[in-house]
Amino acid sequence: DVKVTQSSRYLVKRTGEKVFLECVQDMDHENMFWYRQDPGLGLRLIYFSYDVKMKEKGDIPEGYSVSREKKERFSLILESASTNQTSMYLCASSLWAGSSGEEQYFGPGTRLTVT
Amino acid sequence: SQKIEQNSEALNIQEGKTATLTCNYTNYSPAYLQWYRQDPGRGPVFLLLIRENEKEKRKERLKVTFDTTLKQSLFHITASQPADSATYLCAPGGYQKVTFGTGTKLQVIP
Repeated sequence: DVKVTQSSRYLVKRTGEKVFLECVQDMDHENMFWYRQDPGLGLRLIYFSYDVKMKEKGDIPEGYSVSREKKERFSLILESASTNQTSMYLCASSLWAGSSGEEQYFGPGTRLTVT
Repeated sequence: SQKIEQNSEALNIQEGKTATLTCNYTNYSPAYLQWYRQDPGRGPVFLLLIRENEKEKRKERLKVTFDTTLKQSLFHITASQPADSATYLCAPGGYQKVTFGTGTKLQVIP
C-alpha cells in the first residue's frame, strides 16, 4: 500500500516564525502536492511538483514556498507564519503527471495553528 | 474562474436507500472527474475516476455518471450503510492536477 506520511499531526507556531511541514511518500511517485483545507472553502492547491527540483504554483501560493530535493520528500515552507495560515495542511502524491487522472494518495494532515 | 459546486448542506438518508450526491462545474472542461471520501480528521481517500468519454462507471455499490453537456457528475451509493457516513469530494481534473469541490457530508441513519 502507498503510504504518505506527514511530520506532525498538530503544530502550534507563533506569528512570524518560519515553519517547515514535511511530507514523505514511499511509492516512487512522480507527483507530489500540498493543499490546505478550510471549512467552506474545501481543498485548495498551494504548490505541486512533478519531478525532483521542479515545482509549480497552485491556486494559493502566496506566503508559501516548497522544496523537493529528493523524489520521496516534499516540504512546504511558511516563510513568516501569519494567523491566516492557520489551517489543515494535506500532502498528496500520485504516480505521474498527465491528463489521465492518476489518483492521489493523501497523508493524514497537519493541523497548524498560528497564534 | 473555475467553479465546483456540491450540495452545501448535509444529506441524511435512511440505511438501505440509495444516496445521490451532485457535483456541478462551470467555466471548466475537465478531461476526467474523480470522487474521494473523507472521514473527520483524515485525508481524502480515492474512490472512483470517470473520463470525459465515459458516461457511467461502477465499483461495487458505487456508481458515477458524467454528463459533459450538463457539466455535472452524479455519485450514487446503493444499499447505503451507516459506515458510508462521511464527506464526499468531487474533483474534476485536467493536465497534472485536479480542483476539489467543498464536499457533501452524508449521514446514513440506521
